[in-house]
Amino acid sequence: GAVVSQHPSWVICKSGTSVKIECRSLDFQATTMFWYRQFPKQSLMLMATSNEGSKATYEQGVEKDKFLINHASLTLSTLTVTSAHPEDSSFYICSAGGERGNNSPLHFGNGTRLTVT
Amino acid sequence: QQQVKQSPQSLIVQKGGISIINCAYENTAFDYFPWYQQFPGKGPALLIAIRPDVSEKKEGRFTISFNKSAKQFSLHIMDSQPGDSATYFCAASSYNTDKLIFGTGTRLQVFP
Repeated sequence: GAVVSQHPSWVICKSGTSVKIECRSLDFQATTMFWYRQFPKQSLMLMATSNEGSKATYEQGVEKDKFLINHASLTLSTLTVTSAHPEDSSFYICSAGGERGNNSPLHFGNGTRLTVT
Repeated sequence: QQQVKQSPQSLIVQKGGISIINCAYENTAFDYFPWYQQFPGKGPALLIAIRPDVSEKKEGRFTISFNKSAKQFSLHIMDSQPGDSATYFCAASSYNTDKLIFGTGTRLQVFP
């Protein structure tokens, strides 16, 4: 089945530094990937839609300058949390699927636990 | 309109029993309704999904019931097992986007 790989699985960084999270589709091409954020015991909140070769689309309330998204190829999207602060500590999860507009099943990575000290 | 409401928040079921989780939506443009299972520290895994042209879909012990007129759908887990203990999320999306809107989640605990 389709596999989405996310790296790193966990990261600890100091306040003010930037952290990059990678999301790869391993056995399929994904023109669109999605980035979610999940706080403990809460649901997944969509942050942005990553589009290959074009700018990401951010959900309302998500700072695009803080959460930089790059979708440089059909198998890789990256999320960079810039100038991280403790309130950015969360579980970040990416997902990818097949062709857009086909309700194709979305597969999720195993998430990245970010802790900002 | 973009919300998907899920209940209950938590559920305790004895081994062998039936677990039932309900979801409701408002946006009539939604036409794809998956259920995901998530274990602690892991990403969600697709369990089963349904489209509104059918009222029920069964895969093994998992069944989705769909009521289009009421804009409600539910997940039934038959013969619940301790290994089913996890958080379950319903979700919805519309045809022109793969953007999933998630329900609030249900924490299921199955006791032996």
